[in-house]
Amino acid sequence: AQSVTQLDSQVPVFEEAPVELRCNYSSSVSVYLFWYVQYPNQGLQLLLKYLSGSTLVKGINGFEAEFNKSQTSFHLRKPSVHISDTAEYFCAVSRGKLIFGQGTTLQVKP
Amino acid sequence: GAGVSQSPRYKVAKRGQDVALRCDPISGHVSLFWYQQALGQGPEFLTYFQNEAQLDKSGLPSDRFFAERPEGSVSTLKIQRTQQEDSAVYLCASSSTPGERGETQYFGPGTRLLVL
Repeated sequence: AQSVTQLDSQVPVFEEAPVELRCNYSSSVSVYLFWYVQYPNQGLQLLLKYLSGSTLVKGINGFEAEFNKSQTSFHLRKPSVHISDTAEYFCAVSRGKLIFGQGTTLQVKP
Repeated sequence: GAGVSQSPRYKVAKRGQDVALRCDPISGHVSLFWYQQALGQGPEFLTYFQNEAQLDKSGLPSDRFFAERPEGSVSTLKIQRTQQEDSAVYLCASSSTPGERGETQYFGPGTRLLVL
């Protein structure tokens, strides 16, 4: 069975600092991995996804993620965060339906 | 173009009432998914439609939950005899292809259900 673990429930960070949100997955087959962002009282918006090819994936709003097969990880990074990045971030693996992690709350402080 | 819309955005129900939640997917999208998101948790899969066919309902938590998509577009998730544990945000998502792995799903804003 496939599962996703987000290692941090909350990540506080100061504005303009770099950030990494960690995600590990378990799967016995090829994986397709996603990061979604959820702003308060809104649905989920796709940040980026990995299907195949280059292990470094670039997404919207300056985010990127690196697929690491040996460590079964798909960590999300941004070199300099803004207040507007404050939101809930979800890592997910696709089996047609999406299997989500528990989410990480990114709190950007001024 | 228009995204996925859901109505109502908020619903308060008394325990034991029946509720119906509506999802309007992106026009032409073949696949439609329902997810349940409890407070502080990630979304969990409920059911999947390919056009009007319900191909996977393995995530429905009980027989009180029922979903339909009779004409292959709008979908309704119905919960009968609501219980307090049904309180959650119900998210609908659609995608353009028939449930393929790796296909992007586009989410609606969700319906927040509170059962008192």
